[in-house]
Amino acid sequence: DIQLTQSPPFLSASIGDRVTITCRASQGISSFLAWYQQKPGKAPKLLIYAASTLQSGVPSRFSGSGSGTEFTLTISSLQPEDFATYYCQQLNSYPRTFGQGTKVEIK
Amino acid sequence: EVQLVESGGGLIQPGGSLRLSCAASGFTINSNHMSWVRQAPGKGLEWVSVIFSGGRTDYADSVKGRFTISRDNSKNTLYLQMNSLRAEDTAVYYCARTSIRYGDFDCWGQGTLVTVSS
Repeated sequence: DIQLTQSPPFLSASIGDRVTITCRASQGISSFLAWYQQKPGKAPKLLIYAASTLQSGVPSRFSGSGSGTEFTLTISSLQPEDFATYYCQQLNSYPRTFGQGTKVEIK
Repeated sequence: EVQLVESGGGLIQPGGSLRLSCAASGFTINSNHMSWVRQAPGKGLEWVSVIFSGGRTDYADSVKGRFTISRDNSKNTLYLQMNSLRAEDTAVYYCARTSIRYGDFDCWGQGTLVTVSS
């Protein structure tokens, strides 16, 4: 199984900050990676797929990059509605696996 | 509007069985791959099972032999039959439409809570 390691697990930031979350895969997965946002009590929401393609309707302050084993999710200017937990997921093979999550909280 | 609505969760004793349903609207489930994902209380996301558009299925090792994914095309509904339930199966269960092109989960239901406890 492909293991995904996210860092940091917890992040404290202010409105307007640039935030970067990293996801490392235990083996190369080309660009087969997605990012999700989850707010408390809600289902996850797809933000980015194919490592860097923004899902329709997702604000352009979200961006993704990377390939192979190292990927990043960047929020260019953190907004109040962005405080949530973010997960990466590998789309390369089954079983599909997720990172352990990064919780973004208000500083 | 594309929508998924899960039902069937509840409190069940260890060793018991439960069937979850996921009613889809706005699209046809047998033209898509469909997955189940679960989230234990306070924990991260865990992929459980997938049924591909062609009907083939796959499962996480943690549920293989105990859970069965299926669909009823006439009802446009996805199911997860869960047998021999254990305390560690306690979680919110989500169904998700799975993109055929990239495999991402582009539409999720609201989730249904399964609690396995005596």
